[in-house]
Amino acid sequence: QVQLVQSGAEVKKPGASVKVSCKASGYTFTSYGISWVRQAPGQGLEWMGWISAYNGNTNYAQKLQGRVTMTTDTSTSTAYMELRSLRSDDTAVYYCARDLVREFDYWGQGTLVTVSS
Amino acid sequence: QSVLTQPPSVSAAPGQKVTISCSGSNSNIGNNFVSWYQQLPGTAPKLLIYDNDKRPSGIPDRFSGSKSGTSATLGITGLQTGDEADYYCGTWDSSLSGVFGGGTKLTVL
Repeated sequence: QVQLVQSGAEVKKPGASVKVSCKASGYTFTSYGISWVRQAPGQGLEWMGWISAYNGNTNYAQKLQGRVTMTTDTSTSTAYMELRSLRSDDTAVYYCARDLVREFDYWGQGTLVTVSS
Repeated sequence: QSVLTQPPSVSAAPGQKVTISCSGSNSNIGNNFVSWYQQLPGTAPKLLIYDNDKRPSGIPDRFSGSKSGTSATLGITGLQTGDEADYYCGTWDSSLSGVFGGGTKLTVL
């Protein structure tokens, strides 16, 4: 069965960086892309960007350009999302999701990132 | 401010039917497929509908989707208390960026 298992919760200070991992299993990792979606407390879903697990191509949300980097390690079937220069409004639950081009069919359990001084 | 517009909340009695609308533009819904996600409290979103009107394996036929022009609609019949959740529509825009609606909270009275 397809599973996406994310790393644990993080607490960071403003200006720091965070790197969240997403380990995939149950399917051929390089056959699909991974999108990252975040959800601020009490708010809706926000798409952050996409990475091809096949060739590493990326497409980031314009508002995060320059602060976000998505990578994959095909040897461990793991995707990573790094967000830099953290601000308080980056406090959110971060999800990875398997991207079928037109929809996200499997989601990770979410990783809470708290940015606080 | 979400790119796609959904009503903040809808409600109906158990056994009844409810619809949730999702409004966009020609740069997103008008030229792309729409998907719908259910988010139960404290859990990750779950795919309910893809390609406007298709249900993944395991999703009951009480859930349906449709699209017309720049709007899409999620329908749920035979409401159950377990359907209480937040529902989100999603699609892509002309820059190949994902976009979501602001979410609709369904209350089953």
